[in-house]
Amino acid sequence: NAGVTQTPKFRVLKTGQSMTLLCAQDMNHEYMYWYRQDPGMGLRLIHYSVGEGTTAKGEVPDGYNVSRLKKQNFLLGLESAAPSQTSVYFCASSSGPDSAGELFFGEGSRLTVL
Amino acid sequence: RKEVEQDPGPFNVPEGATVAFNCTYSNSASQSFFWYRQDCRKEPKLLMSVYSSGNEDGRFTAQLNRASQYISLLIRDSKLSDSATYLCVVNGGTGGFKTIFGAGTRLFVKA
Repeated sequence: NAGVTQTPKFRVLKTGQSMTLLCAQDMNHEYMYWYRQDPGMGLRLIHYSVGEGTTAKGEVPDGYNVSRLKKQNFLLGLESAAPSQTSVYFCASSSGPDSAGELFFGEGSRLTVL
Repeated sequence: RKEVEQDPGPFNVPEGATVAFNCTYSNSASQSFFWYRQDCRKEPKLLMSVYSSGNEDGRFTAQLNRASQYISLLIRDSKLSDSATYLCVVNGGTGGFKTIFGAGTRLFVKA
C-alpha cells in the first residue's frame, strides 16, 4: 500500500522558473493538503482541498496554485519561483473533517530556488 | 504569540531516562490534539492522539489540560530509536485546514 506519494523528491530551480509538484494518494481520502516546512517553524498550510474539483487557500498561499482534477491527485504549482520558496514541501491526506488531525504524509519534496 | 508553542530543545537524555515535552496552544476552542513524530529528513507520522482523559501507548503517555491549554508527552525508558523531533498538533475546529503544527521538540537519546 503506497499511501501518499510525491514527485519529484528533489528539484533545483532558478528564480522565475515554473514547476509542478504531484501528490497521489491511494486511500480514497477526500481531504488533501500541501504544507511547507522551514527550519524553526511548524508545517504551514499552503492550500488544501476538501474533495475533487475543490481547492482553498491555507495560511501561506501566495505564489502557489493548486488543482484537484481527480480525487486521488493534488497538484501544487509554482508559476514563477522565488528564493523564498526554497523549502521542503509535504503533501498530506485525511479521510474527512472528523479525523482532520490524523494526517497521512508523503515523503516530502525538497525544492531549492537559486 | 504562536498558536502552538513548543520548547525546541534539543533534549539530550541517556538511554533509559524519562523525558517529558510540553506544548501550549492559544485557541481555547481547539477540538482535538495529537503528537506526531518526525525523523530526520522524513515525513511526520502520527504517534498518538491526546484525549481529555489522557492516554497511554506502551512507554508513551499523553495528557491534555484544557484549563491551562497545554498538552504533554511523557516517554519512559527512552530508547536510542526514540531520537526524533516530536510535533504537537492542534485541530482548532471543523475541517482539516484548522490543523496547526508546532515547530517541534528535538530529542536525542544517547547510549
